[in-house]
Amino acid sequence: NAGVTQTPKFQVLKTGQSMTLQCAQDMNHNSMYWYRQDPGMGLRLIYYSASEGTTDKGEVPNGYNVSRLNKREFSLRLESAAPSQTSVYFCASSESRSRSGNTIYFGEGSWLTVV
Amino acid sequence: EDQVTQSPEALRLQEGESSSLNCSYTVSGLRGLFWYRQDPGKGPEFLFTLYSAGEEKEKERLKATLTKKESFLHITAPKPEDSATYLCAVDGNNRLAFGKGNQVVVIP
Repeated sequence: NAGVTQTPKFQVLKTGQSMTLQCAQDMNHNSMYWYRQDPGMGLRLIYYSASEGTTDKGEVPNGYNVSRLNKREFSLRLESAAPSQTSVYFCASSESRSRSGNTIYFGEGSWLTVV
Repeated sequence: EDQVTQSPEALRLQEGESSSLNCSYTVSGLRGLFWYRQDPGKGPEFLFTLYSAGEEKEKERLKATLTKKESFLHITAPKPEDSATYLCAVDGNNRLAFGKGNQVVVIP
């Protein structure tokens, strides 16, 4: 099983450009997440989706949009990239639809640099 | 506000030298405490979930314990392949809060 798969692995953007990070999971999980990880900080939740068609903001949603395309796929879009969005992005999934009490499984990460 | 503090930030161990990592937390209504291992350039890999004080979980050379205020990850007789960053996350108040991690290097 591949688990949680993210693409691309690496991306360099110019300020103001847009891009979409793709994520797919093959574990038949209900909930999916997007996190960012920055040096000296813990993982922070950007957006969360409990099921197809539903999304909720996390701690740091500004500058991002998400789409839960179906049960397997959850994409993260940067409409106008800023240097502050330089980070490592992780997609994750969990079995339960509940926002808490779940074990979350992560993808391998996407390294994004905005210049 | 939920807080998760991991200590020490970095730890160098000789192979075979057992040690413990600490995760202190403040949260109202703990729903679960999670330990992950993260290798450089990789995503966090799930290790353990603990739900209540007194609970313990083991996997190979790793043992996680939980009290009402903190969790320990004990590494017994570590090997170089145990070198990684260990992340603690606390689930409470409908939010999962991550610590900054314990970076462990095991020297052969």
